[in-house]
Amino acid sequence: AQSVTQLDSQVPVFEEAPVELRCNYSSSVSVYLFWYVQYPNQGLQLLLKYLSGSTLVESINGFEAEFNKSQTSFHLRKPSVHISDTAEYFCVNITGGGNKLTFGTGTQLKVEL
Amino acid sequence: DVKVTQSSRYLVKRTGEKVFLECVQDMDHENMFWYRQDPGLGLRLIYFSYDVKMKEKGDIPEGYSVSREKKERFSLILESASTNQTSMYLCASTFSRGAPRYGYTFGSGTRLTVV
Repeated sequence: AQSVTQLDSQVPVFEEAPVELRCNYSSSVSVYLFWYVQYPNQGLQLLLKYLSGSTLVESINGFEAEFNKSQTSFHLRKPSVHISDTAEYFCVNITGGGNKLTFGTGTQLKVEL
Repeated sequence: DVKVTQSSRYLVKRTGEKVFLECVQDMDHENMFWYRQDPGLGLRLIYFSYDVKMKEKGDIPEGYSVSREKKERFSLILESASTNQTSMYLCASTFSRGAPRYGYTFGSGTRLTVV
């Protein structure tokens, strides 16, 4: 069975500090990985995705994630966070042949001044 | 701008009531999904549909049913609402072919409280 593990339920960080949100997946088949973000009182938005090719993927707002097959990880990083990055972040997996999303339990990122 | 629209943002219902949550998408997507979101549990799949009049159980279908009479509309039904169904419900849709590449679009969610 597919699964996605987010080890940290909450990550507090000061503004302008770097942050890493951890995600590990389990899959024996082709892997598609996503990070979704949910701002307070809003729906889910796609942040970035890995489908194939370059293992480092970037979003338009400074986040990046690296697909690491040997460690089965897809950690999300940002070198300098802003107050507006406060949100819940979900790591998501899709199997190669299917269309169902499997969500991690989410990581609440709280950026403080 | 493409959209997935959920009819209600907030809903309060009594125990035992029959509840309908509606979701409409305007992107001609074949696949539609219903998830519930609970703190510490992430999003869990309730039901999904690959086509009109087709439905498949997700991971937690108990206490729910669905209806898909038209391609653009996917309804979640709570036959007899219970307090443990108090949750945030999210609808999503995607194309059936190349879903990972095209991505999934989510609605804004319906926060249901059963009292």
